[in-house]
Amino acid sequence: KQEVTQIPAALSVPEGENLVLNCSFTDSAIYNLQWFRQDPGKGLTSLLLIQSSQREQTSGRLNASLDKSSGRSTLYIAASQPGDSATYLCAVRENFNKFYFGSGTKLNVKP
Amino acid sequence: DTEVTQTPKHLVMGMTNKKSLKCEQHMGHRAMYWYKQKAKKPPELMFVYSYEKLSINESVPSRFSPECPNSSLLNLHLHALQPEDSALYLCASSQERRLNYGYTFGSGTRLTVV
Repeated sequence: KQEVTQIPAALSVPEGENLVLNCSFTDSAIYNLQWFRQDPGKGLTSLLLIQSSQREQTSGRLNASLDKSSGRSTLYIAASQPGDSATYLCAVRENFNKFYFGSGTKLNVKP
Repeated sequence: DTEVTQTPKHLVMGMTNKKSLKCEQHMGHRAMYWYKQKAKKPPELMFVYSYEKLSINESVPSRFSPECPNSSLLNLHLHALQPEDSALYLCASSQERRLNYGYTFGSGTRLTVV
């Protein structure tokens, strides 16, 4: 069974710092990987979707990379802001109904 | 319209009550999902509907009863719940059989069972 791990579980950084969140998965037979943001008590907001054939995707200050063969993805956040504080979840899709979540990284950006 | 809309946003119910959660999308997605999320945990899959038919039930207790009356609407009927069922219930949708598409999630219903 696919296992998705996110490190670190929590991260606190000062405003303006660049940071990297990590996601690893055990089975490389995936269709895509998706990064989500979740604010406390709220739903999931999709940030970036990377297809298995892609190496990276960018949206604004966010850049996600994917190394399928090694089972790793990173989410790079440039020039972090207090508004970036949230929990970040990665999830991998194996087929139509198999979508595995990591346990998330809780990010706190201090003003 | 690129959203999944869930109502209500908050629900408090007694253990003898019957209530329903509603989820709606107008993106033409033919796969819809119910997830349950406890505090500080990732979402856990409960049910999957494909073309309005139930395709996956992840061994969910019968006090949770899903329904998909049409391609845009997904309901979750609740009856005789327990306090441990208190959680955030998330609905999601995706393109059926287009595995290169991602999931779109709603903002969730925060359920408290008293």
